[in-house]
Amino acid sequence: SQQGEEDPQALSIQEGENATMNCSYKTSINNLQWYRQNSGRGLVHLILIRSNEREKHSGRLRVTLDTSKKSSSLLITASRAADTASYFCATDATRQGAQKLVFGQGTRLTINP
Amino acid sequence: GAGVSQSPSNKVTEKGKDVELRCDPISGHTALYWYRQSLGQGLEFLIYFQGNSAPDKSGLPSDRFSAERTGGSVSTLTIQRTQQEDSAVYLCASSLVAGPYNEQFFGPGTRLTVL
Repeated sequence: SQQGEEDPQALSIQEGENATMNCSYKTSINNLQWYRQNSGRGLVHLILIRSNEREKHSGRLRVTLDTSKKSSSLLITASRAADTASYFCATDATRQGAQKLVFGQGTRLTINP
Repeated sequence: GAGVSQSPSNKVTEKGKDVELRCDPISGHTALYWYRQSLGQGLEFLIYFQGNSAPDKSGLPSDRFSAERTGGSVSTLTIQRTQQEDSAVYLCASSLVAGPYNEQFFGPGTRLTVL
């Protein structure tokens, strides 16, 4: 079953604009991760934020985490055509052993040139 | 190779046939995961291997699904008596070790179509 809910389901913006995607989840977590997927194939890991962190940056990416609201956001600044992809949040809530990721349904981002 | 590889990239089969999907993890990675991505269910965890420990099969949807990992490296996911609802992209991932802060590296996936 899916833990994460993402919104919007689809987002279309002009190149150079900022894109914000949101993710909500249901249970307490160890960490939350964001992945990118091009053309429905392999997933590329973007960033991991731990449950005790509130904000994290990586290049043009900024991720926030609010554990009280069980939500996270991914901001892509100065978007480029190459950012066109689906973006998924994934949570890890396992107590020990395997890091079994639970994915949201994803946001389809389209950057228009 | 530098990344996780999977084969075949595409597989079309008839309902009732068995299929085998292969995953080659990144060399040295001890943890290996299988996920499935389908239209109706999104991305779902299927099974996990860590070293020589017994696999965590908690995500397998039915007893038609099985997986093994030989020599702690290559893994094969087998689906017996395939059904149309098995049509999906099957993704494999590996990580250096199992644990909450270890990045999982995903392969390109195998797109399975059951006619």
